[in-house]
Amino acid sequence: KNEVEQSPQNLTAQEGEFITINCSYSVGISALHWLQQHPGGGIVSLFMLSSGKKKHGRLIATINIQEKHSSLHITASHPRDSAVYICAVPNSGAGSYQLTFGKGTKLSVIP
Amino acid sequence: EPEVTQTPSHQVTQMGQEVILRCVPISNHLYFYWYRQILGQKVEFLVSFYNNEISEKSEIFDDQFSVERPDGSNFTLKIRSTKLEDSAMYFCASSDGRGLNYEQYFGPGTRLTVT
Repeated sequence: KNEVEQSPQNLTAQEGEFITINCSYSVGISALHWLQQHPGGGIVSLFMLSSGKKKHGRLIATINIQEKHSSLHITASHPRDSAVYICAVPNSGAGSYQLTFGKGTKLSVIP
Repeated sequence: EPEVTQTPSHQVTQMGQEVILRCVPISNHLYFYWYRQILGQKVEFLVSFYNNEISEKSEIFDDQFSVERPDGSNFTLKIRSTKLEDSAMYFCASSDGRGLNYEQYFGPGTRLTVT
C-alpha cells in the first residue's frame, strides 16, 4: 500500500509570497494528482503529472519519480488561494487504480 | 464547462435507515468513482465503476454499500443500514479514461449526517 506524506500540514503566508507544498510517497507510481479542496468542501483537480513539470497560471507542479517526491508551488500567492491542497497517488500494484490521498496541507494567505 | 453534480448537498438520517446518494457524472465520461471524507480526515477511495460493474473497491466498501447506474445519467451510492460512523462527506467523480493517467472531475459532495 502506498503511503503519502505531505508537508507542511499547515501553512500561513503573506499575500505575494512564493509557496511550496511537498508530497512524498512510498511506492513507485505512474501518475500523481494534486487537488484543491475549498473551504466549503468541494474538490478540484489541479494537476495530474507523471514526469517533469506542469504549469497552470500561478501554479507549478513538479515530480521526481526516482525520489518519489512531488512539489506544488504557488507564485504571487493571493488570499483566494487559501484552501487545502491534497496530493493523491495510486494505491499499489499493477492494475490498481485506487487513489491514496495525503492528509492535505491547509494554506492560509493573509492580505 | 461540464461538471459533476450531486444531490442532495446535505442528508440527515437516523441510524439504521437506508440512504441513496445521487450523482450525475459528466456526460461523455465512462468511469465513475465514489470517495468519502470523514470530518477532519483524509479522502478515502470507496469504489470505481465501469461498464455497469464495479471495477475496484476498497475494504471500506462492504456489503452495506452498493452502487448502481440506473439510467444513462445517474450514478448512485446506496448505504443499506446507516451507522453513526458513516457520517462523512461523500464525493462522486468521473473520468473519460481508465487509470490514473486520466484526470478525475469531482462533484461538490453530499454531507451525510447519521444521528
